[in-house]
Amino acid sequence: EVQLVQSGGGLVKPGGSLRLSCAASGFTFSNYSMNWVRQAPGKGLEWVSSFSSSSSYKYYADSVKGRFTISRDNAKNSLYLQMNSLRAEDTAVYYCARDNWGGYFYMDVWGKGTTVTVSS
Amino acid sequence: DIQMTQSPSSLSASVGDRVTISCRASQSISSHLNWYQQKPGKAPNLLIYAASSLQTGVPSRFSGSGSGTDFTLTISSLQAEDSATYYCEQCHSTPITFGQGTRLEIK
Repeated sequence: EVQLVQSGGGLVKPGGSLRLSCAASGFTFSNYSMNWVRQAPGKGLEWVSSFSSSSSYKYYADSVKGRFTISRDNAKNSLYLQMNSLRAEDTAVYYCARDNWGGYFYMDVWGKGTTVTVSS
Repeated sequence: DIQMTQSPSSLSASVGDRVTISCRASQSISSHLNWYQQKPGKAPNLLIYAASSLQTGVPSRFSGSGSGTDFTLTISSLQAEDSATYYCEQCHSTPITFGQGTRLEIK
């Protein structure tokens, strides 16, 4: 079964750090670009970061650039998001999602999400 | 950045109705447009990719159309289980952007 299992969320104080993990199974992880997408409470979806399958390209939303770092370990079939200098506005459910390609990109497999709360 | 604007923001319809949701991009994105359905407390679920291609396993009552800047998601005969929020997403260029969402309620 193709799935993404997420872990690593929690409560952290402003200025603190947290690392999210996303473990892939059921497909050849190294062949796919991966994304992080978040959703603040009661709000819509916001793309956060992407990492190409070749591990050559990383992209970030302006709102997290310089504070968040996306990484992947293809040997462990895992995607990560290191979040530093966290702010209250980073409070959200964070989803990892697989990018599929059929001439166009689309996010076809999603994790269940992990909640990050930034509060003193 | 490419802005995605959905309309309406919310709607209410009856079982069996034909429902359309619109999505407009601030610049041409060819067919780099996807639609997702999200139910409360759940992850988004891909419905339509590349503007008009139905994702495997998605009921055929869902369809997508459009190219360039104007796109439409259509539910041909609304079912009770279609109550959800629907998002369009452009993947033409980074930053990837989503519409603000359309909340669909069943009367």
